[in-house]
Amino acid sequence: QQQVKQSPQSLIVQKGGISIINCAYENTAFDYFPWYQQFPGKGPALLIAIRPDVSEKKEGRFTISFNKSAKQFSLHIMDSQPGDSATYFCAASIRGNAGNMLTFGGGTRLMVKP
Amino acid sequence: DGGITQSPKYLFRKEGQNVTLSCEQNLNHDAMYWYRQDPGQGLRLIYYSQIVNDFQKGDIAEGYSVSREKKESFPLTVTSAQKNPTAFYLCASSLLDRAYGYTFGSGTRLTVV
Repeated sequence: QQQVKQSPQSLIVQKGGISIINCAYENTAFDYFPWYQQFPGKGPALLIAIRPDVSEKKEGRFTISFNKSAKQFSLHIMDSQPGDSATYFCAASIRGNAGNMLTFGGGTRLMVKP
Repeated sequence: DGGITQSPKYLFRKEGQNVTLSCEQNLNHDAMYWYRQDPGQGLRLIYYSQIVNDFQKGDIAEGYSVSREKKESFPLTVTSAQKNPTAFYLCASSLLDRAYGYTFGSGTRLTVV
């Protein structure tokens, strides 16, 4: 019940296209859903996060869509650029429970072709 | 600037040798975590600590040990009992009372030679 399932494992998108990464969870107690971006040889960095009281959050070219009834959330990267090529991790946590420990998805390796 | 510092960036270990990876944070975060990442793989939790002098095993703790003597520091020792230690090791920290996610260090790449 603590799992977060992420798909696809890898994704190739042309420059200017839309990249879409999906995550699904089972535990309805999750109330914080961040996305992390990791470049090769670096640690993951927080990209954008959402709480379940909103259905969408946008920051620049990055948008999280959240579907509470389906227990799914997704990351959309508009106008994808070669510099967006990285590994993306979704995650979820329960505020205040066990110290806000994050449960991570398995990651998606995105390649944006020029 | 506040952040997490991992050192060294690269580390080479001989067979049968223990090595210690350093992780220091100046974010005043209560919790600290160690993750292992294999090539093309996700993040696997080794150990975590939510308070000084206390820590808990994660999913793959065998062959590893940690200590938390100071709030700022959470070193990881990779012991000779860890048969396949070659990996990228990531340290992270977070607050306990607010869900703002984790701050990660830049990682240590450990190679067995």
